[in-house]
Amino acid sequence: DIQMTQSPSSLSASVGDRVTITCRASQTISSYLNWYQHKPGKAPKLLIYAASSLQSGVPSRFSGSGSGTDFTLTISSLQPEDFATYYCQQSYSIFGQGTKLEIK
Amino acid sequence: QLQLQESGPGLVKPSETLSLICTVSGGSISSSGYYWGWIRQPPGKGLEWIGTIYYTGSTYYNPSLKSRVTMSVDTSKNQFSLNLSSVTAADTAVFYCARRSGELAGAFDIWGQGTLVTVSS
Repeated sequence: DIQMTQSPSSLSASVGDRVTITCRASQTISSYLNWYQHKPGKAPKLLIYAASSLQSGVPSRFSGSGSGTDFTLTISSLQPEDFATYYCQQSYSIFGQGTKLEIK
Repeated sequence: QLQLQESGPGLVKPSETLSLICTVSGGSISSSGYYWGWIRQPPGKGLEWIGTIYYTGSTYYNPSLKSRVTMSVDTSKNQFSLNLSSVTAADTAVFYCARRSGELAGAFDIWGQGTLVTVSS
């Protein structure tokens, strides 16, 4: 079974910082990788699909890259509303364990 | 605008079967290219994919839960459902239903608000 491993598990950053979260698959998954933002009490929100495609309505400060086994989510300039937990997901199935992004 | 809404008991006893329904509104569950899934989040933990179903009834389950999970679809009611058998306290979670889009490389693009199910006697 494929495993998805995110790093770091948690991250402290300030408004305006550039932040990168990584996700590694235990075997190649081509570009079948999605990223979600999840805030407490809310439904998860799709940010990036197919590794690098920005979902409609998502701010352009979010970007994704990678293929094969190694992927990254980058937030170019953190905004107050970006503090949340981020998950990668292999398309069609499992999620990574999450990265909690907190205010420094 | 497509919306999903979970419904079902908020409290289930240990060893019993957890049953939830997701009602799809604003669109057809039989639309080609869209699958329908269940995802859960135990308190303090991350998201866990449970399974996915197509309107034809084809199912795909998380191997770690496969022995206890059954999903079904009722196209006449525009609903799909989840049954999780032999539950324990570890199954306490917020359960989400979601639409999986083939156009978006299999990503879950529309989610329900989630429903908390507690397993306790």
